[in-house]
Amino acid sequence: EAQVTQNPRYLITVTGKKLTVTCSQNMNHEYMSWYRQDPGLGLRQIYYSMNVEVTDKGDVPEGYKVSRKEKRNFPLILESPSPNQTSLYFCASSFRTGAEKLFFGSGTQLSVL
Amino acid sequence: KQEVTQIPAALSVPEGENLVLNCSFTDSAIYNLQWFRQDPGKGLTSLLLIQSSQREQTSGRLNASLDKSSGRSTLYIAASQPGDSATYLCAVLMDSSYKLIFGSGTRLLVRP
Repeated sequence: EAQVTQNPRYLITVTGKKLTVTCSQNMNHEYMSWYRQDPGLGLRQIYYSMNVEVTDKGDVPEGYKVSRKEKRNFPLILESPSPNQTSLYFCASSFRTGAEKLFFGSGTQLSVL
Repeated sequence: KQEVTQIPAALSVPEGENLVLNCSFTDSAIYNLQWFRQDPGKGLTSLLLIQSSQREQTSGRLNASLDKSSGRSTLYIAASQPGDSATYLCAVLMDSSYKLIFGSGTRLLVRP
C-alpha cells in the first residue's frame, strides 16, 4: 500500500532532550516536506527537500534540522526541544516538486514539558 | 509575503445543498494551488490540484477553479453529504521558492 509513515504517533519529552521524528515513504517520491499545525496558526512548512541531499527552509525552520540521505526517508530532528515546539507535526511527499498531489502521514503529536 | 485566506471559517449546511468554499491569496506568483480535506485527528488528503496555467479541475462532486490574476480559488461541492463534514484547506506552492503556504481552513458540517 502506498503510504507515508511517521513515527512515533505520540511523543512526550522534556526540554532539551534531543529527539527524532521519522518519516518514510514507499512511493519513490522526490519531494518531501515537514509541517507543524497549531490552533489559530494553521499549517506551516518547516523544511522541504526536492531530492536526495537537497533541503531548504520553509517558513518556520528555527529549532529544527532535517537530512535527506536516502530518497525514502526524511527525519525531523529537534536538537534541544523547547515547550514552544509542542505541536502536531506532519510529513508529506509527492512524486515531483509541484506537479503532483501531496500525500500526508498521519501526524505526530509532540508535547515538550 | 504570501498570505492565504479562507472564508468562511466555518459553515453548516443541510444535506443535499450545493456549496462553495473560498480561498484567496495575495501573491499571484504561484506554481499551483491544492485543496485538501482534513478529518479530526487525521492527516490531510489531497482533493484537487490546479496548476497555475489551468482554470479548473473536477473530481466527482468536487470542482475547483483558479483565477490566478485576481488571487482567488473556489471549491464547489455538489449535493453535499454528511460524509463531507471535515475541514477543507487550500495551499499555494510558490513559483520561485517551492514553499507551500496554507490557508487556515473552512470547517464544514453537513447536517442530515
